[in-house]
Amino acid sequence: EPEVTQTPSHQVTQMGQEVILRCVPISNHLYFYWYRQILGQKVEFLVSFYNNEISEKSEIFDDQFSVERPDGSNFTLKIRSTKLEDSAMYFCASKRQVEAFFGQGTRLTVV
Amino acid sequence: RKEVEQDPGPFNVPEGATVAFNCTYSNSASQSFFWYRQDCRKEPKLLMSVYSSGNEDGRFTAQLNRASQYISLLIRDSKLSDSATYLCVGVTGTASKLTFGTGTRLQVTL
Repeated sequence: EPEVTQTPSHQVTQMGQEVILRCVPISNHLYFYWYRQILGQKVEFLVSFYNNEISEKSEIFDDQFSVERPDGSNFTLKIRSTKLEDSAMYFCASKRQVEAFFGQGTRLTVV
Repeated sequence: RKEVEQDPGPFNVPEGATVAFNCTYSNSASQSFFWYRQDCRKEPKLLMSVYSSGNEDGRFTAQLNRASQYISLLIRDSKLSDSATYLCVGVTGTASKLTFGTGTRLQVTL
């Protein structure tokens, strides 16, 4: 069964460093998303991507964040200068039309 | 007002019980709704879609009432393995953004 895969599963980084979280969506899917979940809190929308461009982003997704789909397969989230409050689980999701499927997440810890 | 609201629980029920979760949404433009299940520190997993006509999948029944902006999930004959957090999700906009509720935690006990 096709699935969304994310790497790495865990990432520890120092405050101020750049991180890139990687995702391989399901191959025939058209919509791609990044969400985050701070421990004990709800799943929060960051950004959606369709037709090779950002279609919507939340207030959380400020200038420190960017997304790319560099090769038609990978979908990356970059955080330029990490802050302590960026520590969270980051989930990638994709969908073709109706139902969205999530990757297993990357746990980012900023120290 | 939150876009999607759920009672966080926890709901503690014995095995075999029937339990119902409710969810309300504020955005009348929401196009579709889903229930996801999330185990501790894992990703949300799609449980089922929610339709106005109702949707049943085995022990699970979901219902949407657009007039009241209300969604429900009924679990019959609860199993220990049903213990998880159940997330109510609405979809809005041309980007089909998913908006999550805070989730309702279910603990099924012996």
